[in-house]
Amino acid sequence: QAGLTQPPSVSKGLRQTATLTCTGNSNNVGNQGAAWLQQHQGHPPEVLSYRNNDRPSGVSERFSASRSGNTASLTIAGLQPEDEADYYCSAWDTSLNIWVFGGGTKLAVL
Amino acid sequence: EVQVVESGGGLVQPGGSLRLSCAASGLTFRNFWMSWVRQAPGKGLEWVATINHDGFGKYYVDSVKGRFTISRDNANNSVYLQMNSLRAEDTALYFCAGGDLHYWGQGTMVTVSS
Repeated sequence: QAGLTQPPSVSKGLRQTATLTCTGNSNNVGNQGAAWLQQHQGHPPEVLSYRNNDRPSGVSERFSASRSGNTASLTIAGLQPEDEADYYCSAWDTSLNIWVFGGGTKLAVL
Repeated sequence: EVQVVESGGGLVQPGGSLRLSCAASGLTFRNFWMSWVRQAPGKGLEWVATINHDGFGKYYVDSVKGRFTISRDNANNSVYLQMNSLRAEDTALYFCAGGDLHYWGQGTMVTVSS
């Protein structure tokens, strides 16, 4: 049960913009879209973006999600120190009837 | 406000069993699919199992098929994970998640060790 592909790490400067990617296939990301989760060390994940790219209430407008084909992206504008975290994408695979996760991207804000 | 609270984790010997529980509030529970997701120490998130809203649809990651069983009680807004034949590689923090993995609990730790 292969997962989604995310870069292991991304480093950007304070107040810069980071774009995280998540690649799947036509049965998961390309079909159903991907949700994005943020996880700070020692805390549970929190959803940043639903599979339709909408933001839950309370999530900063600095976080925006999009999708092109089988690749989903999360853009974080105006990076802040508190954005340092692990970011995961997830999607429902309609062929396998399973949730698939990316391996996570560790974002460092320099 | 939606709250998800897991319980039932602990230390168990290889081959043993545990039953995890998850209580959800603040949502119309019977309308939501529920899932268990685990995270081994220092590792990423791994989906374990999902149950649909009425409990008749159950889905599992290959590594737990035949050993774990997910179930739910809509009258008590709860979902469960019965874990049998536990292995060292099942050691992880187990999260309960509601809907399209929108709502997460704090997790309950399962350690499989002799």
